[in-house]
Amino acid sequence: GAVVSQHPSRVICKSGTSVKIECRSLDFQATTMFWYRQFPKKSLMLMATSNEGSKATYEQGVEKDKFLINHASLTLSTLTVTSAHPEDSSFYICSASPGAQDTQYFGPGTRLTVL
Amino acid sequence: LAKTTQPISMDSYEGQEVNITCSHNNIATNDYITWYQQFPSQGPRFIIQGYKTKVTNEVASLFIPADRKSSTLSLPRVSLSDTAVYYCLVGPNYGGATNKLIFGTGTLLAVQP
Repeated sequence: GAVVSQHPSRVICKSGTSVKIECRSLDFQATTMFWYRQFPKKSLMLMATSNEGSKATYEQGVEKDKFLINHASLTLSTLTVTSAHPEDSSFYICSASPGAQDTQYFGPGTRLTVL
Repeated sequence: LAKTTQPISMDSYEGQEVNITCSHNNIATNDYITWYQQFPSQGPRFIIQGYKTKVTNEVASLFIPADRKSSTLSLPRVSLSDTAVYYCLVGPNYGGATNKLIFGTGTLLAVQP
């Protein structure tokens, strides 16, 4: 099946710094990728849709200036958490699909801890 | 996107068959039903998908009645390693490349020895 990777798997940073998370589709191209956030014991919450070559589409309530998304190529999308604060500590997960008639495949997630 | 309702949690014992039911009363004609499994600190993993009647693969079966307002994920002979959260999602085109997925609360299945 299709494989989606994320890097890093976990990151710890100081409050006020920025953190970049990468999402890659390893064996297929993806013009669209999705970013989710998951707090402990909660469900996944969709943050934004990442579109290759164009601006991301953010869900209501998600600050686009805080969560910068760049979909630079057909196999890579990045999420940058700018000026991170402790409340941004969460599990960030991306997903992508090889095509319109394929299911979505999820990355392994990135655990962000902001001190 | 159709809203889904699942039990918050379920308990089972090893070797038993487990059936998790999901309600989706507002399912649309072009919606598919997809189930994902998630272990702690991992991304969700696709289990099974269907449109109507019954679908079976190597890990599970999915039963969908004629009115499609609900669906049941059936896990045969569960083991301890099946302890996870199971999500039922409803949406168009298999989920697909451009269709965002909206996750509900999911069902925490706890399998005991």
